[in-house]
Amino acid sequence: QLVLTQSPSASASLGASVKLTCTLSSGHSSYAIAWHQQQPEKGPRYLMKLNSDGSHSKGDGIPDRFSGSSSGAERYLTISSLQSEDEADYYCQTWGTGILVFGGGTKLTVL
Amino acid sequence: EVQLVESGGGLVKPGGSLRLSCAASGFTFSSYSMNWVRQAPGKGLEWVSSISSSSSYIYYADSVKGRFTISRDNAKNSLYLQMNSLRAEDTAVYYCARSHVVPAAVDYWGQGTLVTVSS
Repeated sequence: QLVLTQSPSASASLGASVKLTCTLSSGHSSYAIAWHQQQPEKGPRYLMKLNSDGSHSKGDGIPDRFSGSSSGAERYLTISSLQSEDEADYYCQTWGTGILVFGGGTKLTVL
Repeated sequence: EVQLVESGGGLVKPGGSLRLSCAASGFTFSSYSMNWVRQAPGKGLEWVSSISSSSSYIYYADSVKGRFTISRDNAKNSLYLQMNSLRAEDTAVYYCARSHVVPAAVDYWGQGTLVTVSS
């Protein structure tokens, strides 16, 4: 079964960097994912598509502070030079035959 | 600029029906697959349904199969979700979302429309 697992919460200081993790279920380590950001009281925003080899393509207007990387079944979103507006929920998303799957989301707090 | 604008949400009684619409602009609607994704209050994102550019491929989550119907009108640049036999657990903000093919990464989202199922 295709499942994405994310830690429920993360925190980091203003100006620092943070690395969020999304883990693909067993047997699905070659799958690409997408990262989405949802700021409070807003709709989600597409950040990037991230492939298993770590290559990624970002959405329109996404700052260079956002980057992605991969290792095995893990997919990472790194945000550098954290700003207050980065405080948001971050979701990973993947897809299989006839389905889309979302991770449970990580709530990022900027201290 | 890509824009997806949902409408049609509201309060409906359990067992009732509602039709959501999504008006698309800023891109060639007929070339893209479309999706509905929902978010219950305080919860995460849940995929509902997807439709390919020419409506040849349609998929539903098990939780809505047999009750919801996705459709599109490429001449009107519009996506629809007909929701029947609504339940309290269908209460959520419903987002219209674009992808290049189906299934695939969502690359644009609408702002959502709230559906509340309550007596």
